[in-house]
Amino acid sequence: GNSVTQMEGPVTLSEEAFLTINCTYTATGYPSLFWYVQYPGEGLQLLLKATKADDKGSNKGFEATYRKETTSFHLEKGSVQVSDSAVYFCALSDQSGGYQKVTFGTGTKLQVIP
Amino acid sequence: DGGITQSPKYLFRKEGQNVTLSCEQNLNHDAMYWYRQDPGQGLRLIYYSQIVNDFQKGDIAEGYSVSREKKESFPLTVTSAQKNPTAFYLCASSMGWGSYNSPLHFGNGTRLTVT
Repeated sequence: GNSVTQMEGPVTLSEEAFLTINCTYTATGYPSLFWYVQYPGEGLQLLLKATKADDKGSNKGFEATYRKETTSFHLEKGSVQVSDSAVYFCALSDQSGGYQKVTFGTGTKLQVIP
Repeated sequence: DGGITQSPKYLFRKEGQNVTLSCEQNLNHDAMYWYRQDPGQGLRLIYYSQIVNDFQKGDIAEGYSVSREKKESFPLTVTSAQKNPTAFYLCASSMGWGSYNSPLHFGNGTRLTVT
């Protein structure tokens, strides 16, 4: 079956540092890939997505490139802010028996300190 | 604005009682989902529904039940058979049917505590 592996946290960075959160996946088909963000006490929000190989998703300074050769979708941001502190989830979406099936990683908590 | 509403935000129940969590969406989405979130375990799928009057078990359906009588609504009942019901429950929706690339839209969750 499909699976998503992302780096364990927590990740602690100083403001304006460079961020990388690693995500790799296994899938039998041609999935779409997503990053979601969850702020304390809230649901998940879509951060960015990529639907095919070599696509780059970007939003709010975050970027991730769909790398089929390395089955990866690493999240990056050049300069993090305190407001970026949250839990980040990598996910893949595929079809299974006619249904959309979404598989999530376990989440990586990011803490940005001033 | 369109979105997903989960209620209540916090819910407390005694062991042995059934409890129903509400989820309503006005996004005109066909597909709806229930996830359970526990610390360090990410999201686990409980039930999902692609269309009214149809739903499928997810990975951890035991001790839970759902109904989908209206497109907008997908309530989840946590029964007394669920061994560890205390958790954060998230409802989500997506366009469904052939839209395998569409993102999920989430509600803000219900935190259930059973003592």
